Amino acid sequence: EAGVVQSPRYKIIEKKQPVAFWCNPISGHNTLYWYLQNLGQGPELLIRYENEEAVDDSQLPKDRFSAERLKGVDSTLKIQPAELGDSAVYLCASSLGLGRGNTGELFFGEGSRLTVL
Amino acid sequence: KNEVEQSPQNLTAQEGEFITINCSYSVGISALHWLQQHPGGGIVSLFMLSSGKKKHGRLIATINIQEKHSSLHITASHPRDSAVYICAVDSRDDKIIFGKGTRLHILP
Repeated sequence: EAGVVQSPRYKIIEKKQPVAFWCNPISGHNTLYWYLQNLGQGPELLIRYENEEAVDDSQLPKDRFSAERLKGVDSTLKIQPAELGDSAVYLCASSLGLGRGNTGELFFGEGSRLTVL
Repeated sequence: KNEVEQSPQNLTAQEGEFITINCSYSVGISALHWLQQHPGGGIVSLFMLSSGKKKHGRLIATINIQEKHSSLHITASHPRDSAVYICAVDSRDDKIIFGKGTRLHILP
């Protein structure tokens, strides 16, 4: 079975340009996460979906970041306009979501490495 | 103080050594994850546990719920074990809290 698939793997853009990342989670996984990871740091949550509902977007910089998971399956994360400080790896993860605070096993994609010049 | 603390932050050992990485947390949890990330690579789940002990190959994970502590052990370490090992907990308010990771380097 395919794991969590992300694209593109790498993206280089100039500041103020838009960029979009795509994630296809493992089939049947209700919960989808977008994380940002800076070099040498742990993942930081941007947004968490339960099916098509964004249940935690408190850390998403909504002035420039947006995300959607329209049919509760794949998801896109967009940055517009990108800033120099947005250079990072954007990780998508999915899990079954077992309820009562238990995520179930986490499955991560390979990440999308963004460089903003 | 971080809610999930890992120690050590960095660890260098010789091939074949027994490795222990520790994780302490201060919140109520429903489960704890051990994750592995190789340089430039994605994150791979090693274990998810809520009690006791789990073993997979040369890797062993234990958790003590009363003491809010977990350990990841690697027996007969090998250079390919060199990676960042991350502890993460499922808190009872539906958040995943990550530790800062332990960078392990196994010398041949």
